[in-house]
Amino acid sequence: QVQLVESGGGVVQPGGSLRLSCAASGFTFSSNGMHWVRQAPGKGLEWVTFIRYDGSHQLYADSVRGRFTFSRDNSKNTLYLQMNSLRPEDTAVYYCATEITRAFDYWGQGTLVTVSS
Amino acid sequence: QSVLTQPPSASGTPGQRVTISCSGSNSNIGSNAVNWYQQFPRAAPKLLIHSEDQRPSGVPDRFSGSQSGTSASLAISGLQSEDEADYYCAVWDDTQTGWVFGGGTKLTVL
Repeated sequence: QVQLVESGGGVVQPGGSLRLSCAASGFTFSSNGMHWVRQAPGKGLEWVTFIRYDGSHQLYADSVRGRFTFSRDNSKNTLYLQMNSLRPEDTAVYYCATEITRAFDYWGQGTLVTVSS
Repeated sequence: QSVLTQPPSASGTPGQRVTISCSGSNSNIGSNAVNWYQQFPRAAPKLLIHSEDQRPSGVPDRFSGSQSGTSASLAISGLQSEDEADYYCAVWDDTQTGWVFGGGTKLTVL
């Protein structure tokens, strides 16, 4: 079965950096685009970024463009989200998700990022 | 302020049919298929409906989706207590070149 496991969350000061990882299994990882979606405490869902199956193309939400970088290592079935210049409004649970049917088909359990001094 | 508009809450009694609306624009719902997600407290979201009206394996046929023009709806028939959750619509937006979500609807089973 599809399994996505995020890691790397934690507490960071404003202006700091953090790198999230997402380990994938149970499907053909190298054939599918992947996403990060976040959810601020008590708030709704917000799409953050997408990466093409081969890592050749990424899309970013306006709120993170220029600060976040999405990459993948298909040899390790792992995604990486490098987050720089973090702001308090980036505080959220970050979920990685697969795209198989032109939707966010499967989700990980999420990892909490807290940006606070 | 979300790009897609959903009512913040909805409710119904067991056995009833409830619908949750999702309103957008020509650049999103008017041009692309809507997906719906279900989220229980302290859990990750789960895909409920994709490609406007398709149910992933394991999703009961009590759940159905539809869309027309710049609006979409999620219908739940034969409401059950375990359907109490938050529901989100999402769709690709051609103008924003990204995915957009509705603000979510909290469904209460009375």
